[in-house]
Amino acid sequence: KQEVTQIPAALSVPEGENLVLNCSFTDSAIYNLQWFRQDPGKGLTSLLLIQSSQREQTSGRLNASLDKSSGRSTLYIAASQPGDSATYLCAVNTGFQKLVFGTGTRLLVSP
Amino acid sequence: DTEVTQTPKHLVMGMTNKKSLKCEQHMGHRAMYWYKQKAKKPPELMFVYSYEKLSINESVPSRFSPECPNSSLLNLHLHALQPEDSALYLCASSMRPGLAGEGRRGDTQYFGPGTRLTVL
Repeated sequence: KQEVTQIPAALSVPEGENLVLNCSFTDSAIYNLQWFRQDPGKGLTSLLLIQSSQREQTSGRLNASLDKSSGRSTLYIAASQPGDSATYLCAVNTGFQKLVFGTGTRLLVSP
Repeated sequence: DTEVTQTPKHLVMGMTNKKSLKCEQHMGHRAMYWYKQKAKKPPELMFVYSYEKLSINESVPSRFSPECPNSSLLNLHLHALQPEDSALYLCASSMRPGLAGEGRRGDTQYFGPGTRLTVL
């Protein structure tokens, strides 16, 4: 059974710092991996999707990498801002669009 | 436009009530999903509809009954729920269902804002 873990569970940083969120999964047989952010009590906003054949995807200040063989992905956020405060979730697609979500990292960026 | 809408935003119901949640997208997506999210937990998949047909049911109790009347609309009918069913119910959609004939690559899933359900 696929298990997805995110470290750290919570992170507090001052504005302007670069930071890295980690996601690990137990079964490397995935089709893609997606990163989301979720604001309290809200739905999920898609940030990046990396197909299994890709190593990296970038969108603005965000960069996500995927190492399928080692079961790891990282989300790099450059020059963090208070508006980046949210919970970040990674999710692996195990086939037929079945997403298994990670445990989440709660990020707080203080001014 | 990458918007998925859900109604109602909040719903309070008793254990004997029957209610429905509604989800709509106009992006031409052919896969739609229901997820359940308990407080401080990640979302868990409940159902997947591929080309308006139920393709995945993650062993969800029969008191939850999904329906996909057309390619833009997804409903979740609720009956005889329990207090432990209280949660945020999220709908999502994606361009393709990621079936075997499509290379199973899968596409970005876009989520709605959710319906906060409380069962008394």
